[in-house]
Amino acid sequence: EIVMTQSPATLSVSPGERATLSCRASQSISSNLAWYQQKPGQAPRLLIYGASTRATGIPARFSGSGSGTEFTLTISSLQSEDFAVYYCQQYNNWPPITFGPGTKVDIK
Amino acid sequence: EVQLVESGGDLVQPGRSLRLSCAASGFTFDDYAMHWVRQAPGKGLEWVSGISWNSGSLAYAESLKGRFTISRDNAKSSLYLQMNSLRAEDTAFYYCARAEGPYTSLPIDYWGQGTLVTVSS
Repeated sequence: EIVMTQSPATLSVSPGERATLSCRASQSISSNLAWYQQKPGQAPRLLIYGASTRATGIPARFSGSGSGTEFTLTISSLQSEDFAVYYCQQYNNWPPITFGPGTKVDIK
Repeated sequence: EVQLVESGGDLVQPGRSLRLSCAASGFTFDDYAMHWVRQAPGKGLEWVSGISWNSGSLAYAESLKGRFTISRDNAKSSLYLQMNSLRAEDTAFYYCARAEGPYTSLPIDYWGQGTLVTVSS
């Protein structure tokens, strides 16, 4: 089973600043990585798939990069609606699909 | 508009069974693989099970094998999860989720709002 780790666990950022979230896979997953955003009381929402492709309707301030074992989600200028928990997920080696533990982005 | 609506969550005693359902609409259900993903209150996401478009490929989280069974009825655009021998650690929100295409090895692109299963005496 591929283990996903994320850092940091919590990221405190001021509105308008850049946020950089990291995700690491325990073995290579090529570019088969997705990022999800989850707000309190809501279901997750797909942001990025294929490591760098934005999902439909996702603003351009969200970008993903990386391949192999190291991945990054960047939010270029945080808006108030971006404060949430972000999960990475690998779908390269299935089953199982595995998620990272999440990074909470909160207001500094 | 893609909609996934889960139902069947409830408070049940340990050892009992429960069947979750997910009604899909807004897309051609039998063109897509489906998953169940759960989330214990205040915790992260845990994949439970997945099924391909034609039920030809099924898989389960290793920790759940033998207790949970996933199925789908393409004629009814519905996904199911039969959960037996429930334990306290199965307490969670259970999300129905759609894969991006017919195979479960594709990313999840839509999620339902979840249904809460509480296992407690």
